[in-house]
Amino acid sequence: KAGVTQTPRYLIKTRGQQVTLSCSPISGHRSVSWYQQTPGQGLQFLFEYFSETQRNKGNFPGRFSGRQFSNSRSEMNVSTLELGDSALYLCASSFLSSGPYNEQFFGPGTRLTVL
Amino acid sequence: ELKVEQNPLFLSMQEGKNYTIYCNYSTTSDRLYWYRQDPGKSLESLFVLLSNGAVKQEGRLMASLDTKARLSTLHITAAVHDLSATYFCAAFSYRGSQGNLIFGKGTKLSVKP
Repeated sequence: KAGVTQTPRYLIKTRGQQVTLSCSPISGHRSVSWYQQTPGQGLQFLFEYFSETQRNKGNFPGRFSGRQFSNSRSEMNVSTLELGDSALYLCASSFLSSGPYNEQFFGPGTRLTVL
Repeated sequence: ELKVEQNPLFLSMQEGKNYTIYCNYSTTSDRLYWYRQDPGKSLESLFVLLSNGAVKQEGRLMASLDTKARLSTLHITAAVHDLSATYFCAAFSYRGSQGNLIFGKGTKLSVKP
């Protein structure tokens, strides 16, 4: 069974640009959550999508947005990039939405560097 | 707001020794997770602890949960070099009927021969 895949794995952008990251969940999983990992702030929850609807959102500015398609694949977009957006972006898939006893499986991440 | 604190943040051990990583969380949570992350890699799920007194073991790692004390521990027995990694605990935080994981800062474990 294939795991969670994320593309691209590495990305270099400059300040002010925008970026789109993609996540394909495990087959049959309908929930995709996104996390940002930085050395200073650690792992922080961005948002969760289930059945093409945003179910939950973390404390990030509106520059961070996402969507989910009918095949459960999800994209995350960051507009007007700032240096502080440099991070490892992880997505996690689960069978159901974030509820009791619902384990998340993490993808390999996309390393974004903003210059 | 749920907060998760891990200690220590850095741990240097010799092979064969035992040690414990502590994970405290600030408010009630019905689930506690432990993950392992190798450098440049993603998170690998180690344990899911669902109830007070839960204990799970896999190889040289054993995790336990005390919901009354809001404390989980990850005990390492007779450490080996292959256990070198960063270990995260995460508690589940509810927002209404939904929720998300709140992670600790991680414990970077280095096991030296």
